Amino acid sequence: TQLLEQSPQFLSIQEGENLTVYCNSSSVFSSLQWYRQEPGEGPVLLVTVVTGGEVKKLKRLTFQFGDARKDSSLHITAAQPGDTGLYLCAGASNAGNMLTFGGGTRLMVKP
Amino acid sequence: NAGVTQTPKFQVLKTGQSMTLQCAQDMNHEYMSWYRQDPGMGLRLIHYSVGAGITDQGEVPNGYNVSRSTTEDFPLRLLSAAPSQTSVYFCASSYLGTGMGSPLHFGNGTRLTVT
Repeated sequence: TQLLEQSPQFLSIQEGENLTVYCNSSSVFSSLQWYRQEPGEGPVLLVTVVTGGEVKKLKRLTFQFGDARKDSSLHITAAQPGDTGLYLCAGASNAGNMLTFGGGTRLMVKP
Repeated sequence: NAGVTQTPKFQVLKTGQSMTLQCAQDMNHEYMSWYRQDPGMGLRLIHYSVGAGITDQGEVPNGYNVSRSTTEDFPLRLLSAAPSQTSVYFCASSYLGTGMGSPLHFGNGTRLTVT
């Protein structure tokens, strides 16, 4: 079973601050996805990274896939209250059709 | 555009009761899956299907059955509910299997409590 560890589990910051969420594994993934989930709803895809070392930007969010394809990070610049939510990373393996999710990072951005 | 529709939204069961959680998608996706979400544990895969007539076990399949008679529907059955099955259940679909990096489209979940 492939495991993905996310850190931190909880993060409470003020509007305007920067933050980084980490997603680490000892396993290699063919691709890695980041989702955001709001209360009472299902997760929604933010980005998919496929190539080792890949960096993708989505407005104030920057996603990076590790060179060895075992880890990833999400950096948010100048966080806003609208960024509040549960952030989940998920790794895909070429070996099968199972997406492994991390435990999630619950982010609260206070105005 | 409905996407992935789950019913019911909330359910309370007594230990030993059975029920079926419904999931339907209108995107003609071949891949469908069921996850359960528990605090601090992210999402864990219960069962998945890569097409009509094909199902397979995920990480935590015990106590759950599935079938896939049509492309659109993927119901999850609890045969004899236990308190350990108290959780939020999500159905998700994708155009290709998740091994291809295809994104999952999630329903809004069913919150199940077993007393």
